[in-house]
Amino acid sequence: DGGITQSPKYLFRKEGQNVTLSCEQNLNHDAMYWYRQDPGQGLRLIYYSQIVNDFQKGDIAEGYSVSREKKESFPLTVTSAQKNPTAFYLCASSIGLNTEAFFGQGTRLTVV
Amino acid sequence: KNQVEQSPQSLIILEGKNCTLQCNYTVSPFSNLRWYKQDTGRGPVSLTIMTFSENTKSNGRYTATLDADTKQSSLHITASQLSDSASYICVVRDQTGANNLFFGTGTRLTVIP
Repeated sequence: DGGITQSPKYLFRKEGQNVTLSCEQNLNHDAMYWYRQDPGQGLRLIYYSQIVNDFQKGDIAEGYSVSREKKESFPLTVTSAQKNPTAFYLCASSIGLNTEAFFGQGTRLTVV
Repeated sequence: KNQVEQSPQSLIILEGKNCTLQCNYTVSPFSNLRWYKQDTGRGPVSLTIMTFSENTKSNGRYTATLDADTKQSSLHITASQLSDSASYICVVRDQTGANNLFFGTGTRLTVIP
């Protein structure tokens, strides 16, 4: 099936540790995105990538890093510098920047 | 400042009843507006997209309206079902070259039997 897959669904991390969230798509989309969702707030953009080997910071990039070595993959690393990492993380992809975004099922990260 | 505001914040209705969710935005210049449905713990799924020239668009029991003059949109759900229980998010895109999507905080709809 074509789609966008995030893994794992749930992730627990100790304070001070880095953790990487996976996002893979087989839709042949050029653009990929990472959003963070907190209760009572709209989705906030962390990073986005228009094309392989290129990515741009979003509104809340501090404490996060990404890579785009392959078209299909856009992993997000939550570093120890992120002060409040507990949240629901959503990955999305689209054909281009101004076309419909398709979302993955999300990863819930909890820092313990 | 570009903003998207949704109301009500939460809503509880009886199965079979209709309801209307509101979205007001200040995003300019406007490109399009989407309504997404997000089940708990899942990613959002697009229901409808409205461009500047469209006033109404339906997708099954979901009907979205757009008034670009007053910058308001609504999502009407007809004959609600238990499976309609979810958060409904209004998302507005502007016309700048950057990837500018503005998300509302959503309306949490609960349909009870």
